Amino acid sequence: GNSVTQMEGPVTLSEEAFLTINCTYTATGYPSLFWYVQYPGEGLQLLLKATKADDKGSNKGFEATYRKETTSFHLEKGSVQVSDSAVYFCALTKRTGNQFYFGTGTSLTVIP
Amino acid sequence: DAGVTQSPTHLIKTRGQQVTLRCSPKSGHDTVSWYQQALGQGPQFIFQYYEEEERQRGNFPDRFSGHQFPNYSSELNVNALLLGDSALYLCASSLRDRDYNEQFFGPGTRLTVL
Repeated sequence: GNSVTQMEGPVTLSEEAFLTINCTYTATGYPSLFWYVQYPGEGLQLLLKATKADDKGSNKGFEATYRKETTSFHLEKGSVQVSDSAVYFCALTKRTGNQFYFGTGTSLTVIP
Repeated sequence: DAGVTQSPTHLIKTRGQQVTLRCSPKSGHDTVSWYQQALGQGPQFIFQYYEEEERQRGNFPDRFSGHQFPNYSSELNVNALLLGDSALYLCASSLRDRDYNEQFFGPGTRLTVL
């Protein structure tokens, strides 16, 4: 079956620290991979995506590389800000279907 | 360009009641998916509607039903509410013929069952 496993949180970092949130997946075929962010009281916003192996998605200083050999899509940012405090979800979808499979989310708090 | 909108924002019901949630997709989108997000969990897929028909369904009982209208808007109905149905219900819209089917999410409806 299809599933996503994320590192458990919560994660607390100081401003300007380096961020890594691990994500691994299980899927048949060749899924597309996504990172979504959810701010308190809001819905999900797409942060970045990658649709094939070795693709690197990037946005707002965040990056993730689609690694088929390790079935991973780890999220990284070189210098986090207080405004990055949110819950981050890794997700996948199969090319032939629309259903998204989400991880359980990782809560990030950045302190000044 | 309006994004995905959902109504109501919050809702409180009691066990056994029925509820209807509404969603308007992003302009130009023809497919609507519904997700249930329990507290502290990731969203779980309920079902998807395209061309006014249910196309895919997740592991949810038939107390959960839906509808899509000709203007692509959609409703989620839940009958015989249980305490465990308390969650954030998210609607997502997409364009069917896009290769990777990127989905845009609405802000959600927070349902509390007492």
